[in-house]
Amino acid sequence: EVQLVESGGGLVQPGGSLRLSCAASGFTFSTYWMSWVRQAPGKGLEWVANIKEDGSEKYYVDSVKGRFTISRDSAKNSLYLQMNSLRAEDTAVYYCARVGRFYAFDIWGQGTLVTVSS
Amino acid sequence: EVVMTQSPATLSVSPGERATLSCRASQSFSDNLAWYQQRPGQAPRLLIYRASTRATGIPARFSGSGSGTEFTLTISSLQSEDFAVYYCQQYNNWFGWTFGQGTKVEIK
Repeated sequence: EVQLVESGGGLVQPGGSLRLSCAASGFTFSTYWMSWVRQAPGKGLEWVANIKEDGSEKYYVDSVKGRFTISRDSAKNSLYLQMNSLRAEDTAVYYCARVGRFYAFDIWGQGTLVTVSS
Repeated sequence: EVVMTQSPATLSVSPGERATLSCRASQSFSDNLAWYQQRPGQAPRLLIYRASTRATGIPARFSGSGSGTEFTLTISSLQSEDFAVYYCQQYNNWFGWTFGQGTKVEIK
């Protein structure tokens, strides 16, 4: 079964850091671009970052540039998001997603909640 | 920046009826347009990609159309499990991925 499972969310104070992980299974992880997408409480979806199959290219939404870092480990079939200098507006459910044909997100994890609050 | 505008914000439909959802882009791009369904408490699910191609396992009652800046998702006969929020999403090389704000399809 093709599956993505996120972990690492939680409550963190403003200015703090958190590292999210996403474990992939059921497909050849090293052959797909991967992304993080977030959803603030009661709001819509926002693409956050993505990374090429071999990790050589990374792209970010402007609001997280310089604070978040996406990475991957193909030996562990895992995707990561290091989040530093967190702000209240980063509070959201963070989804790991596979980039499929024609740039659509064809597989999604169940999400992990990040709450930034003092 | 590309802005995706979905309409209406909420659509009230009776089971068995047709639902038509619209998505407009602020500028024309390729047909890398996708539609997602999100039920309460669940992750989004891909329905349509490349504007009109159904994803694996998606029922034929879901169809997508359009090009340029105007796109449509049609659900031909609403089933109880179709009441959810629907998002359109586009991709382009300059701005990456952009989602619309969503259309909630509710029971009339």
